[in-house]
Amino acid sequence: DVQLVESGGGLVQPGGSLSLSCAASGFTFSDHYMEWVRQAPGKGLEWVGRSRNKANSYSTEYAASVKGRFTISRDDSQNSLYLRMNSLKTEDTAIYYCTRGSCSGGSCHSFPDNWGQGTLVTVSS
Amino acid sequence: DIQMTQSPSSLSVSVGDSVTITCRASQGIDNHLAWFQQRPGRAPKSLIYAVSNLQTGVPSRFSGSGSGTDFTLTISSLQPEDFATYYCYQYNTFPLTFGGGTEVQIK
Repeated sequence: DVQLVESGGGLVQPGGSLSLSCAASGFTFSDHYMEWVRQAPGKGLEWVGRSRNKANSYSTEYAASVKGRFTISRDDSQNSLYLRMNSLKTEDTAIYYCTRGSCSGGSCHSFPDNWGQGTLVTVSS
Repeated sequence: DIQMTQSPSSLSVSVGDSVTITCRASQGIDNHLAWFQQRPGRAPKSLIYAVSNLQTGVPSRFSGSGSGTDFTLTISSLQPEDFATYYCYQYNTFPLTFGGGTEVQIK
């Protein structure tokens, strides 16, 4: 079975940094795009960013709200996805979900087909 | 950015009822439309991709349809475990975007 387990959440002050990890198992991690999605308390879902696979040069995409502050990386040897968050703002407070991507159609338009349980990041003084 | 507008934002229904949720994209997204279910306090679950394709294990009472900019999620004969919030999601154009969600409540 596919398993995605996030860790690293916690309380951080505005302007601080935090790193999240996602440990993947039950599938060939290196084949898949991976993404982060977040959800502020009582709010809807927001796409954060994407890491493509090795075949696509591990390229990344980011939401405008996090671009330049957040960095997605991965270690295929460890079956792990990471999210480095710098210059954190109170509006970054959310549950952060790791998702596995699957492609539909001839070209890879990737969508989440599996989700982790999430890790809570609270940015507050 | 492509705006995804869901309606209604909430509805109250009874077990056994049929439910239709609509999702409108502010521009064409081809067939790159997915639906997710989120029960209270739980992580989202993937239901449908490419407009109408059910994820493995999703009951056949869930169905999706639509094209271009207008899409629907239908749940026939609602079961107790279906009371949840549903989100549409376009994965055609960056930034990828979700609808605001539709909460399906018990009447």
